[in-house]
Amino acid sequence: GAVVSQHPSRVICKSGTSVKIECRSLDFQATTMFWYRQFPKQSLMLMATSNEGSKATYEQGVEKDKFLINHASLTLSTLTVTSAHPEDSSFYICSARMGHLNTEAFFGQGTRLTVV
Amino acid sequence: RKEVEQDPGPFNVPEGATVAFNCTYSNSASQSFFWYRQDCRKEPKLLMSVYSSGNEDGRFTAQLNRASQYISLLIRDSKLSDSATYLCVVNMMRGSYIPTFGRGTSLIVHP
Repeated sequence: GAVVSQHPSRVICKSGTSVKIECRSLDFQATTMFWYRQFPKQSLMLMATSNEGSKATYEQGVEKDKFLINHASLTLSTLTVTSAHPEDSSFYICSARMGHLNTEAFFGQGTRLTVV
Repeated sequence: RKEVEQDPGPFNVPEGATVAFNCTYSNSASQSFFWYRQDCRKEPKLLMSVYSSGNEDGRFTAQLNRASQYISLLIRDSKLSDSATYLCVVNMMRGSYIPTFGRGTSLIVHP
């Protein structure tokens, strides 16, 4: 399958700081990327859908000013968690899909964020 | 009603057993369906797509029942390495097709 690389895999930061997570599609152009968050023993919850060159579409309850998403190119999307708090500690996963087609998405390795 | 529902389990089965999971979805207009596997603290990996006619890949068989809005995954001859969480994913139309996850079904295969 297609390769999606997410970096960093693990990050620990202090409350109040910002953290940037990168998601890259290595061998295909990803018109659409998705950002999910997963708490222990729970399902992946979609945070936002990101289309290259346009603003991200955020799910209800997700603060767009806190979770900044940039999808500047067809191979890179970034999620910045601003002014992180301990309750933001979670597993963040990106996925990427070729085009807007009704096809499968491929996942990055995930980023485990711990805010202390 | 949740958009995609799965029994969280866990399903605890011996090696060699056959086990089946179901997943129901709420949007009858959904077009694409997938099963992903997620190991503890790792990202989901695509196991197989689910086609209208049903499809098989080795020990794994996926079925789609549009009338009843559910998909199923059958695992034959379970291996210890099959222990994982199996995620049902449905592409739901909301402006564009959004991969929507069930909460996953936990499978534990024991010796």
